[in-house]
Amino acid sequence: DAKTTQPNSMESNEEEPVHLPCNHSTISGTDYIHWYRQLPSQGPEYVIHGLTSNVNNRMASLAIAEDRKSSTLILHRATLRDAAVYYCILRDDKIIFGKGTRLHILP
Amino acid sequence: GAGVSQSPSNKVTEKGKDVELRCDPISGHTALYWYRQSLGQGLEFLIYFQGNSAPDKSGLPSDRFSAERTGGSVSTLTIQRTQQEDSAVYLCASSWGTGNSYEQYFGPGTRLTVT
Repeated sequence: DAKTTQPNSMESNEEEPVHLPCNHSTISGTDYIHWYRQLPSQGPEYVIHGLTSNVNNRMASLAIAEDRKSSTLILHRATLRDAAVYYCILRDDKIIFGKGTRLHILP
Repeated sequence: GAGVSQSPSNKVTEKGKDVELRCDPISGHTALYWYRQSLGQGLEFLIYFQGNSAPDKSGLPSDRFSAERTGGSVSTLTIQRTQQEDSAVYLCASSWGTGNSYEQYFGPGTRLTVT
């Protein structure tokens, strides 16, 4: 079973920042928080991951709560191409994907 | 460099036939994973390999499903006596290792249709 909770769907306007939340209250001390996204008709794509500190890369930023029970994926300036299902997962051997958040970008 | 490749990209088979799906991971990646995704559903974990060993096969849906990996590289997922409920996209991913900090790289998938 997935160990994370995400909203089923979200909407955002193009060229605006998007904050995608994820709750993982049962996270253990060694679990990394990973985010993937799946564009329509494609395989999942790695976005970002972190353990405790906030992380930035060319695709997004990851903000991790101090108690690590929640995190937020931040897309700084959404484009139409960012419309996808975003999965927040706790990295384990198996990697259990939940249902993710379907992000709609409005032009 | 080359990413994860899967073949065939599409496979249509008749109910009751056996199928083999192939995954070529990124060179040097020791961990390999198989998932399937039914239409409109999330990803369902099937099995993973560390090297040629599969420590946990509990995700395989039934004993009709099997997987092997040879030479620490190519993996094949075999479905015997296919059923219509086996229709799905089968995705393969690889990573440098199974440790918690390693990200996975996914292939484009094989779309299996059982008629």
